Amino acid sequence: LAKTTQPISMDSYEGQEVNITCSHNNIATNDYITWYQQFPSQGPRFIIQGYKTKVTNEVASLFIPADRKSSTLSLPRVSLSDTAVYYCLVGDMVQAGTALIFGKGTTLSVSS
Amino acid sequence: NAGVTQTPKFQVLKTGQSMTLQCAQDMNHEYMSWYRQDPGMGLRLIHYSVGAGITDQGEVPNGYNVSRSTTEDFPLRLLSAAPSQTSVYFCASRWDRQGNTEAFFGQGTRLTVV
Repeated sequence: LAKTTQPISMDSYEGQEVNITCSHNNIATNDYITWYQQFPSQGPRFIIQGYKTKVTNEVASLFIPADRKSSTLSLPRVSLSDTAVYYCLVGDMVQAGTALIFGKGTTLSVSS
Repeated sequence: NAGVTQTPKFQVLKTGQSMTLQCAQDMNHEYMSWYRQDPGMGLRLIHYSVGAGITDQGEVPNGYNVSRSTTEDFPLRLLSAAPSQTSVYFCASRWDRQGNTEAFFGQGTRLTVV
């Protein structure tokens, strides 16, 4: 099973940019990198997926260096409502025909 | 388009009782799965299905049964409830395509076994 490493927790203030880095040293050539967000008392929600370089959508940006051994989820100008757990999934954690496998994720706490 | 719908939202059971948690999706997704999440913990996979008539066990299948008679529905049955099954249960579905990593989750069922 692919292994990812993320910080257990992060703290931020409203209006700051938050970068959460995920390490995935054993990523395979055709693996995608996916991030999910889970608010308290809700199911996880897909945020963003990428393969290389940079991907941006209305929620976040995903930066992937050339060696793809890590990725960084960037949340611009966070607000209190961005307080959530963020999960990084790679490789056989998201393979077709199998289940999504979630690690412990990063708990982001945003305060005013 | 309702997405993934779970019922009930809350349930209290007595030890030894049985019940079925319902999960339905209207997106014609082949793939469905059940997770449990204990307080302060990550999601643990119970059972999953890649299509009607096909199910498989996940990380923590003991005490739970599933069946997939239609594409839309994937019920989770608790055979004889135990306090250790007190948890929040999430159902998910997605297109089963290589490269598709977007799953949709229900709002969860909060189960308490006393």
